[in-house]
This record gives sequence, C-alpha cells and structure tokens, in this order.
Amino acid sequence: GENVEQHPSTLSVQEGDSAVIKCTYSDSASNYFPWYKQELGKRPQLIIDIRSNVGEKKDQRIAVTLNKTAKHFSLHITETQPEDSAVYFCAAPRPNTGFQKLVFGTGTRLLVSP
Amino acid sequence: EAQVTQNPRYLITVTGKKLTVTCSQNMNHEYMSWYRQDPGLGLRQIYYSMNVEVTDKGDVPEGYKVSRKEKRNFPLILESPSPNQTSLYFCASSTGGNSNQPQHFGDGTRLSIL
Repeated sequence: GENVEQHPSTLSVQEGDSAVIKCTYSDSASNYFPWYKQELGKRPQLIIDIRSNVGEKKDQRIAVTLNKTAKHFSLHITETQPEDSAVYFCAAPRPNTGFQKLVFGTGTRLLVSP
Repeated sequence: EAQVTQNPRYLITVTGKKLTVTCSQNMNHEYMSWYRQDPGLGLRQIYYSMNVEVTDKGDVPEGYKVSRKEKRNFPLILESPSPNQTSLYFCASSTGGNSNQPQHFGDGTRLSIL
C-alpha cells in the first residue's frame, strides 16, 4: 500500500525566509497530493493541492511541486510570516484501494520567528 | 455555512463504557472518514464511507465501529473503550466517492479514557 514519508519533522526559520517541506510516496499510480495546515488547537485545513497532470501549482506565497519520476512532492512557503507557524501535513490517496484510503505524512512543525 | 460538526468536543470517560462520537456534514458529501491524531504519528484513518450503507476499514480500525445510515451522518462508536484509544479524533468529508478531493474537517473531539 501507499506509504508517505514527510521531512523534516520540525523546521525553524526567521521571518521572511523560505521554508520547504518534502514528502515522498511509494505508489507511482498516486494522482492527488494535498497539503493541510493545522494551527494549534484547530482542525486541519487544506492550503493547496496538486494533481499528477501538472508539475507545479502556486497560490500567492505558497507553492507545491511534484516530481513523478522521483515520487516526491514539496511545499514551498516564501516570505514566511509568524502566522505561518503551524503543523503541516501532506497526504496521498492509495491507488490500490480505488483511492478510498487516505494516508497522511507524520507532519512538520514549522516555527517562524519574528 | 458549510461545515462538519462533531460532538462532543471533549469527553473524559472510563474503560469499558460505550460511547458514540457524532459527525454531521451539511454539504451533501458522499465521502466521510474518521481519523485519530496522536503525537508523532500524524493523522491515521480509522474508517471511511463512500456513500450511504457503504463503509470500510482504514489503517487503525480495531476497537471502533461506524455506520452510515444517512448521507449527512457518520457516527464513530467505541463499544468498549480502552486507554489506548485516548486521542484526538477528527471527522472529515469530501465530495465524490473517494479521497481524491479536498477533505473538510470537523473541529475535533478529544477523548480521554481512564
């Protein structure tokens, strides 16, 4: 079945720096890769997602890139701000379940210092 | 307002006392799912449902039951709770019949089993 590995587990940056979080997946048939942000005490919320027919997607300061050959996708946050501090999760549906089962990475705690 | 509603938000109970966590969505979503969140382990899928009367096991189904008698409701049942089920639980829903769409999460239910 699909495995998703996420790195790093924690990331500390200064305000204004860029942050990159990477996830690798195991099933080459995977076709949908979302990223969720979870602020302290809150529910996870989708911030950006990408499908396998594109290599990059941007939304203001956030971008996601997909490398299907290497089977990894990354979240890029530019010009980080303190309000970007949160836990970020990547995910991928499992193709061998008809994309029914969803597996998440173990999360990255991002801390942006002023 | 489109939302996923879980109840209760917090519960402290004792081993063996049956409990039910309710989940309701008002978006007419076909797909619903339950996750538990534990430190260092991320979000792990317990059960999911593709539509009314169709449910299946996720990665950690032991000790849990679900039902999907109506499209909007997907309760999680712990018949005989044990301390290892102490966790933060999230219900989520999405359009379509699988997890290849953005998941909309509820606000979470923190369960403590003594």
